[in-house]
Amino acid sequence: EAGVAQSPRYKIIEKRQSVAFWCNPISGHATLYWYQQILGQGPKLLIQFQNNGVVDDSQLPKDRFSAERLKGVDSTLKIQPAKLEDSAVYLCASSFRQSPLAGSTDTQYFGPGTRLTVL
Amino acid sequence: AQSVTQLDSQVPVFEEAPVELRCNYSSSVSVYLFWYVQYPNQGLQLLLKYLSGSTLVKGINGFEAEFNKSQTSFHLRKPSVHISDTAEYFCAVRGNTNAGKSTFGDGTTLTVKP
Repeated sequence: EAGVAQSPRYKIIEKRQSVAFWCNPISGHATLYWYQQILGQGPKLLIQFQNNGVVDDSQLPKDRFSAERLKGVDSTLKIQPAKLEDSAVYLCASSFRQSPLAGSTDTQYFGPGTRLTVL
Repeated sequence: AQSVTQLDSQVPVFEEAPVELRCNYSSSVSVYLFWYVQYPNQGLQLLLKYLSGSTLVKGINGFEAEFNKSQTSFHLRKPSVHISDTAEYFCAVRGNTNAGKSTFGDGTTLTVKP
């Protein structure tokens, strides 16, 4: 079974530039998560999708970050414009959960992440 | 609201020694608890999880953890570590509400020395 795929693996940009990350979840997984992991810290949830709808984006800095999952499969996360403090690893994860009402015991499967460096 | 505190940022041990990685949590609702491992340049991999039932949970790679509700702790243990266990370990808590957002600790770096 293929895992969660992410690209690119590494990205270096200058501040005020824009950047986009792509995630392809495990086939059949309805729930998709984007996390930000700053060096020395644990992952922090940015946004959670259930199919193509947003379940939780309370920690997404909406003035510069956006995310979409138009067909309920692949997802993109965009930062525009980037700031120095956005330097981090961006992790995508997916889980099978088919409904927001289905409870929260499902296992999340993580991709390898995209390491972003903002200069 | 929920939070996780991993009490040790770095734990160095010698190969074949036992190890314990400590995790405390706080939450206003009942929770599920998880331990993940992250190897360099890789994503997180689930080691084990506590959902309900027996408070001693066994996971992959010989790891186990014990849920202690009165002390709000979920410490990870292994009786004998290998060089290959060198990695970052994250404790996470998830509220048992339907949305179930996960909160992670800041991680513990386990370094196993020969």
